[in-house]
Amino acid sequence: GNSVTQMEGPVTLSEEAFLTINCTYTATGYPSLFWYVQYPGEGLQLLLKATKADDKGSNKGFEATYRKETTSFHLEKGSVQVSDSAVYFCALRRTGNQFYFGTGTSLTVIP
Amino acid sequence: NAGVTQTPKFRILKIGQSMTLQCTQDMNHNYMYWYRQDPGMGLKLIYYSVGAGITDKGEVPNGYNVSRSTTEDFPLRLELAAPSQTSVYFCASSPLDGLGANVLTFGAGSRLTVL
Repeated sequence: GNSVTQMEGPVTLSEEAFLTINCTYTATGYPSLFWYVQYPGEGLQLLLKATKADDKGSNKGFEATYRKETTSFHLEKGSVQVSDSAVYFCALRRTGNQFYFGTGTSLTVIP
Repeated sequence: NAGVTQTPKFRILKIGQSMTLQCTQDMNHNYMYWYRQDPGMGLKLIYYSVGAGITDKGEVPNGYNVSRSTTEDFPLRLELAAPSQTSVYFCASSPLDGLGANVLTFGAGSRLTVL
């Protein structure tokens, strides 16, 4: 079947620290992969995406690389800010527009 | 451009009551979805629709019903509210499946409490 597993939270970092949130997936075929972000009290917003193996998605200083050999799509940012505090969801999309989400990882950045 | 609009934002129901969560999108998207978000559980798909007149069950459809009479609207109905339906509900939409990575656009959510 199709599923997404991401690292448990919550994660607490100091401002300017390096961030990694791990995400691995199980899927048949060649899914597209996404990171969504949810700020407090809001709906989910697309952060970045990758459609095929070795693609790198990037946005707002965040990056993730589609690794088919390890079925992973880890999210990274070199220097986090307080404004990055949010819940981050890894997701995959299969043919037929079916989306599968991980359980979310809560990030808190402290000054 | 409003995107995906959900109403109400908050609602408290008594056990056994019924209600409808409204969802409207103005992007002419074919696909629409209803998810529920429970703490620590991520998002679970309740129902989805690939176009007007077509709906299908997701992972957790029990206790809910949907209809899709127009491209724009996709209401979610709770017939007999139960405490287990206390959750945050998100409506989302996506353009027609095709080449590239179609993206989900989410509404702001509806927080439902059943007491």
